[in-house]
Amino acid sequence: QVQLVESGGGVVQPGTSLRLSCAASGFTFSSYGMHWVRQAPGKGLELVAVIWSDGSKKYYAESVKGRFSISRDDPENKLYLQMNSLRAEDTAVYYCARGRGHTTDGYFDFWGQGTLVTVSS
Amino acid sequence: QSVLTQPPSVSGAPGQRVTISCTGSSSNIGAGSDVHWYQQLPGAAPKLLIHGNTNRPSGVPDRFSGSKSGTSASLAITGLQAEDEADYYCLSYDTSLSAFWLFGGGTKLTVL
Repeated sequence: QVQLVESGGGVVQPGTSLRLSCAASGFTFSSYGMHWVRQAPGKGLELVAVIWSDGSKKYYAESVKGRFSISRDDPENKLYLQMNSLRAEDTAVYYCARGRGHTTDGYFDFWGQGTLVTVSS
Repeated sequence: QSVLTQPPSVSGAPGQRVTISCTGSSSNIGAGSDVHWYQQLPGAAPKLLIHGNTNRPSGVPDRFSGSKSGTSASLAITGLQAEDEADYYCLSYDTSLSAFWLFGGGTKLTVL
């Protein structure tokens, strides 16, 4: 069965960096686009970053552009989110999600349980 | 403020039918982008409920249905049950200059 397990969250100070990981299993990881979605406490969902199945394209929300970087290691079946220059407003639960379709028909079918990132001094 | 607009809350009694709307624009739903729906139970990750406007993944009860028309979409839940109390989100792709997937702001469903 499809499993996505995030790790790497924690409490960090503003301006510092953190790298999140997502371990995938139960499917051919290299065949799917992957996504990071976050949810601030008590708030809605926000797509943060997208990486195409072959890694050729990466897209970022305006709120994280230039600070966050998404990458993947297909032999290890892992997805990463490198987060630099963290701000208080980056505090959220971060989910990795598997992508289906492409753009106008694209969606996320399986999600991990999430990892909490708290940015606070 | 989300580009996809959902009512903040809806409610209904057990057994009733409720609908949740998702209103977009000519750059997303109106441009032909599909609408997808997620259910998020308290303390849990979102779960795919409807994809491609009307399609239910395996295991999702047929009490849940989706529709799309023009620049809007709707999620309908019939035979409301206590376990349906959750947050519901729509998702669609925006074709504007900052092309990206967008979530609606979410709707809290309360079963009375």
